[in-house]
Amino acid sequence: QVLLVQSGAEVKKPGASVTVSCKASGYTFTNYYIHWVRQAPGQGLEWMGIINTSSGSIGYAQKFQGRVTVTRDTSTSTVYMELTSLESEDTALYYCARRAVSGSGSPNWIDSWGQGTLVTVSS
Amino acid sequence: EMVMTQSPATLSVSPGERATLSCRASQSVSSNLAWYQQKPGQTPRLLIYGASTRATGIPARFSGSGSGTEFTLTISSLQSEDFAVYYCQQYNHWPRITFGQGTRLEIK
Repeated sequence: QVLLVQSGAEVKKPGASVTVSCKASGYTFTNYYIHWVRQAPGQGLEWMGIINTSSGSIGYAQKFQGRVTVTRDTSTSTVYMELTSLESEDTALYYCARRAVSGSGSPNWIDSWGQGTLVTVSS
Repeated sequence: EMVMTQSPATLSVSPGERATLSCRASQSVSSNLAWYQQKPGQTPRLLIYGASTRATGIPARFSGSGSGTEFTLTISSLQSEDFAVYYCQQYNHWPRITFGQGTRLEIK
């Protein structure tokens, strides 16, 4: 079955950077895009970006442009999300999630989620 | 910038009754809309895609409708396990997606 396993919780100071990993298994890694979505405590879902795991091309939400970098390692079926210049408002649960449909184009809903990685930003 | 607005923020309904949740897009998204359910401590679960197609394993009491800018998720007869937060998500502007802020469905 599809499995997305994320790295463990992180505690960072303001101004620092964090990298969260997401290891995929149970399917052909390069056939499906991976999203990054975050959820602040008690809040809703916020889309951050997406990566084409085959070509490596990416798209980011305008809010995070310049602060987020998503990469992938096809040899280990792992996607990485780095967020820099952390602020307290970045405290959230960060999810990787698989786009449900292979190939590019409009169908862009999500069918599988990682377990989430809690990033806490505190001085 | 695409904005998805869900209403109401909180909906109180008795078990066995019908629940109707709304989602409005700031511009047309055609039928490129999905709905998710999220329970406390869990990841979101896909319910509906293409505005009205139920995902695999989703009970028939869940139905979606709408197109353009106005969408509805209806739960025909609420079960205890249906009380959760529901999110809509548009995917009309590849590759970017946008979530609504969520509707909390609580027991009346």
